[in-house]
Amino acid sequence: NAGVTQTPKFRVLKTGQSMTLLCAQDMNHEYMYWYRQDPGMGLRLIHYSVGEGTTAKGEVPDGYNVSRLKKQNFLLGLESAAPSQTSVYFCASRLQGLSAKNIQYFGAGTRLSVL
Amino acid sequence: DQQVKQNSPSLSVQEGRISILNCDYTNSMFDYFLWYKKYPAEGPTFLISISSIKDKNEDGRFTVFLNKSAKHLSLHIVPSQPGDSAVYFCAASGDGNKLVFGAGTILRVKS
Repeated sequence: NAGVTQTPKFRVLKTGQSMTLLCAQDMNHEYMYWYRQDPGMGLRLIHYSVGEGTTAKGEVPDGYNVSRLKKQNFLLGLESAAPSQTSVYFCASRLQGLSAKNIQYFGAGTRLSVL
Repeated sequence: DQQVKQNSPSLSVQEGRISILNCDYTNSMFDYFLWYKKYPAEGPTFLISISSIKDKNEDGRFTVFLNKSAKHLSLHIVPSQPGDSAVYFCAASGDGNKLVFGAGTILRVKS
């Protein structure tokens, strides 16, 4: 049972380069999220999706774009990477509804360095 | 403005003793609170949660207490074990869609 899978696990970019982080979940969850974790800052929400074809901004959306073309996949794009985007990125998913109790399930993370 | 605060960056506890991790929040609209545990190079994993209509929830060695009047919750781990050494994040939800996380507390359990 894979759960939430993130690719790649590590990446080094030069300033101005672009890349896409892929998140895939096999739990048939409706909701998916992208977070970044920085030292002393906890996890901050970048963008999220409440269903296929929908996306919404989180707390720190600037410099990122997302797409949810398929229910199981949520892509995070950096069009022109900046050193301030050096971080660990986590994807999460959860079921819709009260029975889900707001519990999100996380992937293992992508460590991104922008030089 | 941080809506969820974990004011202790780190905590060190002897094996077998109680670990108490604290979390404060400012938004009175939060109605669900969760604790996550994170090991290095892994994603956060759900540990325990509590609804705002309760003041205590227990699961094995882990108990979460909620004091709504003080806007404070705490996680108790009894007895603490070396495998509990990790970063613990407090999170809160008010709209059913999103979670707001605290900065985390590093717990070290010494054997």
